[in-house]
Amino acid sequence: NAGVMQNPRHLVRRRGQEARLRCSPMKGHSHVYWYRQLPEEGLKFMVYLQKENIIDESGMPKERFSAEFPKEGPSILRIQQVVRGDSAAYFCASSPSPGLPYGYTFGSGTRLTVV
Amino acid sequence: SQQGEEDPQALSIQEGENATMNCSYKTSINNLQWYRQNSGRGLVHLILIRSNEREKHSGRLRVTLDTSKKSSSLLITASRAADTASYFCATDEDDKIIFGKGTRLHILP
Repeated sequence: NAGVMQNPRHLVRRRGQEARLRCSPMKGHSHVYWYRQLPEEGLKFMVYLQKENIIDESGMPKERFSAEFPKEGPSILRIQQVVRGDSAAYFCASSPSPGLPYGYTFGSGTRLTVV
Repeated sequence: SQQGEEDPQALSIQEGENATMNCSYKTSINNLQWYRQNSGRGLVHLILIRSNEREKHSGRLRVTLDTSKKSSSLLITASRAADTASYFCATDEDDKIIFGKGTRLHILP
């Protein structure tokens, strides 16, 4: 069981480029959550997806950010026209069922640096 | 939304001492969890306590929950250098988990 796999681990983008972050959940997990963490801060919820559905995107910025979790393949968090303020660590978590008490399994994160 | 709030924000103690971190939250919960994050890594689940439980133990970890005060505490006994990390409480809200800002724990040799 490989756990939650995120790639790339590190991503550098110039301002205005697009960033695509991938997350493969644990086997058997159909619920995926994306979080963003700024330096020295906690994790901020962004979006909750099930296969082919966005369940809760209340934490997603209204523009430039989108997420998907297709029937086949990993979940993708896409950031268009990146700006310096998008630099952060982006974590994906998966669970077999929504919320607690099952808890989440986290990936190691993708560290995005916008230069 | 930011449900949980840990205090202190940072804590430095000598190796072997006990470390206590607190978490307060705002709305009613079904469960509360504590996670650890080593520098530059993802979060690792430590322990879950249900709303009808008052105390739970796991190895050197002891978690308490006071739903009347909407607060929880995490006690790490006999601290070790490897316990140096950030610790976050997390509560459930609308089928997702909301994290506090964390306590940065530093164990001094």
